[in-house]
Amino acid sequence: ELKVEQNPLFLSMQEGKNYTIYCNYSTTSDRLYWYRQDPGKSLESLFVLLSNGAVKQEGRLMASLDTKARLSTLHITAAVHDLSATYFCAVATTSGTYKYIFGTGTRLKVLA
Amino acid sequence: DAGITQSPRHKVTETGTPVTLRCHQTENHRYMYWYRQDPGHGLRLIHYSYGVKDTDKGEVSDGYSVSRSKTEDFLLTLESATSSQTSVYFCAISEWVDQETQYFGPGTRLLVL
Repeated sequence: ELKVEQNPLFLSMQEGKNYTIYCNYSTTSDRLYWYRQDPGKSLESLFVLLSNGAVKQEGRLMASLDTKARLSTLHITAAVHDLSATYFCAVATTSGTYKYIFGTGTRLKVLA
Repeated sequence: DAGITQSPRHKVTETGTPVTLRCHQTENHRYMYWYRQDPGHGLRLIHYSYGVKDTDKGEVSDGYSVSRSKTEDFLLTLESATSSQTSVYFCAISEWVDQETQYFGPGTRLLVL
């Protein structure tokens, strides 16, 4: 059974600081996704990582994937208040049909 | 934004009543998914569909059924609603080609009293 774990679950950080969110998963997969959710809103796609060593960057966020370690990271550089949200990683299973298993999410609060 | 709508957006119902939630897409995507979101659990897959009349169970399917008679519509039915099914329900779509991600609907807030 595929399991996805994120840590930390909660993260409170000061503006201008750097931090990393970790996403570990339990079985082989080469498709990993990051999503952002603002309070009371739906999820929006941030990054799609499709191979070992993949790195994607958008503004102050950078995501990477190590399929051998079954680990993805979401690195936040010089955090700003607008990055406050909940971040989810999801791993795709591709045996026959396709479905996604989500981590429990990391709730990020950036303090001014 | 991907064309996904959910109806109703909010619903209050009583224990024991049947409830049907609708997801409608205008993207002609093959895959459609129903998730529930609860504090501390992230998103959990209820059921999904990989084509018209083709559906499969997710990790929390007990008490739920689905139907997909048209590409654009995916219905989630709570046969006899219970308080444990109070949640926010999200529909998502995907086409599963390279670089493809999921696109989510706005969500339905369901309260079962």
